[in-house]
Amino acid sequence: AQSVAQPEDQVNVAEGNPLTVKCTYSVSGNPYLFWYVQYPNRGLQFLLKYITGDNLVKGSYGFEAEFNKSQTSFHLKKPSALVSDSALYFCAVRESSGDKLTFGTGTRLAVRP
Amino acid sequence: EPEVTQTPSHQVTQMGQEVILRCVPISNHLYFYWYRQILGQKVEFLVSFYNNEISEKSEIFDDQFSVERPDGSNFTLKIRSTKLEDSAMYFCASRVGLAINEQFFGPGTRLTVL
Repeated sequence: AQSVAQPEDQVNVAEGNPLTVKCTYSVSGNPYLFWYVQYPNRGLQFLLKYITGDNLVKGSYGFEAEFNKSQTSFHLKKPSALVSDSALYFCAVRESSGDKLTFGTGTRLAVRP
Repeated sequence: EPEVTQTPSHQVTQMGQEVILRCVPISNHLYFYWYRQILGQKVEFLVSFYNNEISEKSEIFDDQFSVERPDGSNFTLKIRSTKLEDSAMYFCASRVGLAINEQFFGPGTRLTVL
């Protein structure tokens, strides 16, 4: 069975500082990994994905994520946070042979001015 | 930019009533999904649909649930006899053909069962 853990319910960071939102996963076989963001009263918006290749993937709005196979992690990062980045962030995993996404519980990012 | 749309945005129903949630996936997408998110909990997979068939379903997706693609554009989720615990945000998603592609989600329908 596949699973995702997001150990932090909330991450607080000052605008301009770097941010990290943590994610670890468990899956049999090769993982496909995704980050989605949810703004209030909105659906899930795709940010970035790791399928294969370079461990550092870049996505929308300056976000990037690093795939670490030995630590089974896929942490989301941004060098300089914006107040507008404040939202709920979900990590998700899919087995390469499957189709359903399994989501983590979400991490609320709060960026203070 | 094409997007997944869902109607209604909010549905209130009485326990035991049937509800149909509607989705219009992105037009060239071939794979369709329903997920739900109970308030304060994580997003959970319900069902995937491809080539007019269910390709995978979760334990949540019991006989009270059904999906249909009645025409070339709509994808619906029917709950035959709603229960209080069906209250949740229901998200539709779609994906274009290649397996490496991401799923695009709609804005959701909030279902409230009284």
